[in-house]
Amino acid sequence: KAGVTQTPRYLIKTRGQQVTLSCSPISGHRSVSWYQQTPGQGLQFLFEYFSETQRNKGNFPGRFSGRQFSNSRSEMNVSTLELGDSALYLCASSWTAGSGYEKLFFGSGTQLSVL
Amino acid sequence: AQSVTQPDIHITVSEGASLELRCNYSYGATPYLFWYVQSPGQGLQLLLKYFSGDTLVQGIKGFEAEFKRSQSSFNLRKPSVHWSDAAEYFCAVGRQTGANNLFFGTGTRLTVIP
Repeated sequence: KAGVTQTPRYLIKTRGQQVTLSCSPISGHRSVSWYQQTPGQGLQFLFEYFSETQRNKGNFPGRFSGRQFSNSRSEMNVSTLELGDSALYLCASSWTAGSGYEKLFFGSGTQLSVL
Repeated sequence: AQSVTQPDIHITVSEGASLELRCNYSYGATPYLFWYVQSPGQGLQLLLKYFSGDTLVQGIKGFEAEFKRSQSSFNLRKPSVHWSDAAEYFCAVGRQTGANNLFFGTGTRLTVIP
């Protein structure tokens, strides 16, 4: 079984631009969560999608948004990029959402640099 | 509110030595506790998890962790470290129900010297 695939692997943008990151979960997994990882703040939860619905959201501004498609693939979008948005964005998938029992499988992440 | 503290930012151990990484959590109820490992340029891999039951949890790669409710701790241990264990280790706490949103500690970077 293929793992969680995130594209692109690296991305360089300038302030004010917008960016879309993609995540393909493990086949059969219906929950996709997004995390932001920075040296200063560590790993922070962005949001989770299950069956095309956002189930939970972290404490991030509205510039961060996401969606999930019927095949469980997910995208996250960041509009009006700021320098502080430079981070590794990790996607994680699991079989279900919210049970707490499910193991999260993480992708290798998309490294976003904002200049 | 949930929070996780990993007091050690960086630990260096010799290959073959024992290892203990500390994790303290704050949570109003019985938490779900996890340890993840991240190698450079990689995502996170689950080492072990605690939900309930036996407070000593065995994980992959020879790791174990012990849940101590009285100390709000969930320390990770390994009796003999291998060079390949060099990585960043994250402790995380999750709610018992509701969502897959985990609260992570800031991580402990492990260096293994020959």
